[in-house]
Amino acid sequence: SYVLTQPPSVSVAPGKTARITCGGNNIGSKSVHWYQQKPGQAPVLVIYYDSDRPSGIPERFSGSNSGNTATLTISRVEAGDEADYYCQVWDSSSDVVFGGGTKLTVL
Amino acid sequence: EVQLVESGGGLVQPGGSLRLSCAASGFTFSSYWMHWVRQAPGKGLVWVSRINSDGSSTSYADSVKGRFTISRDNAKNTLYLQMNSLRAEDTAVYYCASAHMTAAPLDYWGQGTLVTVSS
Repeated sequence: SYVLTQPPSVSVAPGKTARITCGGNNIGSKSVHWYQQKPGQAPVLVIYYDSDRPSGIPERFSGSNSGNTATLTISRVEAGDEADYYCQVWDSSSDVVFGGGTKLTVL
Repeated sequence: EVQLVESGGGLVQPGGSLRLSCAASGFTFSSYWMHWVRQAPGKGLVWVSRINSDGSSTSYADSVKGRFTISRDNAKNTLYLQMNSLRAEDTAVYYCASAHMTAAPLDYWGQGTLVTVSS
């Protein structure tokens, strides 16, 4: 089965840039989607097909995907960005696969 | 406005059964693939099952295969998850989510329903 690996936690100061990685075997050949989940709430799609943003998601959120690593980048981080972030791909043998999640802490 | 509303969660004994429902509105339900995703307390998201738009194709995580059944009623705009032979490790919040097609992102999510398996 396909495995996605995320760092458990990332910390960043307000106004700085946060980068959350998602590792997988040749993940660059797959489409990666990213979700934000705040405590007690359902996940929200923030990036889809590697780098597209749904309407209503700030331009501060961006994504990239190449080789064995996909990255969610959050520029000019705000306190309200503090949340858990999950990457997700579709794999022909595993169907939907989620990464383990990364807790973003705004210092 | 797109809405997905789950119901049917609750406390059930090990070995018991439960049927979850997900009522959809605000979009053409019959055109979308639907998924169930669960989240154990304090843990990450785990995909459970999906069904294609007309219900002719289904897929399951290995952990629930043979115990859970996903289905849909497009006339009622409702998704279901029949859960049998429940185990303590099935305890989680269960979310339904929509997707345009295979490999598409899960673009809308319900608020979740809590299933607790305990004696």
